[in-house]
Amino acid sequence: ILNVEQSPQSLHVQEGDSTNFTCSFPSSNFYALHWYRWETAKSPEALFVMTLNGDEKKKGRISATLNTKEGYSYLYIKGSQPEDSATYLCALYLPNYKLTFGKGTLLTVNP
Amino acid sequence: DVKVTQSSRYLVKRTGEKVFLECVQDMDHENMFWYRQDPGLGLRLIYFSYDVKMKEKGDIPEGYSVSREKKERFSLILESASTNQTSMYLCASTPGSGNQPQHFGDGTRLSIL
Repeated sequence: ILNVEQSPQSLHVQEGDSTNFTCSFPSSNFYALHWYRWETAKSPEALFVMTLNGDEKKKGRISATLNTKEGYSYLYIKGSQPEDSATYLCALYLPNYKLTFGKGTLLTVNP
Repeated sequence: DVKVTQSSRYLVKRTGEKVFLECVQDMDHENMFWYRQDPGLGLRLIYFSYDVKMKEKGDIPEGYSVSREKKERFSLILESASTNQTSMYLCASTPGSGNQPQHFGDGTRLSIL
């Protein structure tokens, strides 16, 4: 089974802080990388799908970068707000229709 | 917006029962998936389907089966429910390309007593 690692496992920050977390994967197995946000009592929501080495994507205060050669992606949140509190999941897509998910990073933003 | 609807948010069943979890999507997506989420283990793929009547095993198919008789509906079946199948179950769908994000239902929290 493919191993997708996310770190840290959990993170507490203060409102207004900027933060980032990491998704690592075997660089030899790459087709696309997905980021999702999963808030409590809601369904996971797609943030980004990234396919190219050097890709950078941005949605409001959240951005992500991708390095396929070294096998990692960073997710950044600028000026964290309490509503950013969620579990952030990354997943690696291989060309067999399957996504393999990491265990997620649980972010808590304190007011 | 894509809508993925799971039939129940909460379900309580007894050991040995046959349990059906239903999922319907309204965007004509080819691919549909069933996952389970357990604390500390992340989302794990049980089964998926890339076309009507087609199914593929995911990473943890034991104790489960699936049915996809119509494109919009993907059912997960617990043949004989056991307590270790107590979990959060999520359904998702996506169009054919892996460059498209998956769209998830709200989940079914299943308890087997």
